Amino acid sequence: ILNVEQSPQSLHVQEGDSTNFTCSFPSSNFYALHWYRWETAKSPEALFVMTLNGDEKKKGRISATLNTKEGYSYLYIKGSQPEDSATYLCAFTRDDKIIFGKGTRLHILP
Amino acid sequence: ETGVTQSPTHLIKTRGQQVTLRCSSQSGHNTVSWYQQALGQGPQFIFQYYREEENGRGNFPPRFSGLQFPNYSSELNVNALELDDSALYLCASSLSGRGSNTQFFGPGTRLTVL
Repeated sequence: ILNVEQSPQSLHVQEGDSTNFTCSFPSSNFYALHWYRWETAKSPEALFVMTLNGDEKKKGRISATLNTKEGYSYLYIKGSQPEDSATYLCAFTRDDKIIFGKGTRLHILP
Repeated sequence: ETGVTQSPTHLIKTRGQQVTLRCSSQSGHNTVSWYQQALGQGPQFIFQYYREEENGRGNFPPRFSGLQFPNYSSELNVNALELDDSALYLCASSLSGRGSNTQFFGPGTRLTVL
């Protein structure tokens, strides 16, 4: 059974602080790893897609790293802002299947 | 906004009924994927359609079926509805069936089965 685990499940961060969370996935037959941000009452929004071991991607204050050999990816947010409050989902693709984690719910405290 | 639309927004059905959900893909995209998101879970992959053919399927029973049209819009059909089918149904379109392509999601259809 293919499983994608995200931790923590929920996170409260003070505005201005930096934070990070983890996505773990099966390391065999890796194809791609996706990160999405999902704000309440909106559609999930693509942040990054990563395919190569050691990939690092950055979009403004948000960045992500990928380790396909050990099966994990980190998402970092620098200097959290209220608009960063959302659920962050990762998804692993392999064998024509796409498996999502349950997400990390991020709350930014003023 | 991604340009992916879904209809209807909300739907209430009773057990045993059948339902059809619709998705219009973003312009230029030939691939549509469908997901079910139950409360407290991540989106679960139902299936993907690429150029009108099924191109991958998750662990869902055959009463979940789909269709993709020549304009690449898509339908998800669920027969013999069960209470556990109550969920948010998301569709996403992408440039091709490759797993490394970015998916653009619609707003979802909230299905309630009574």
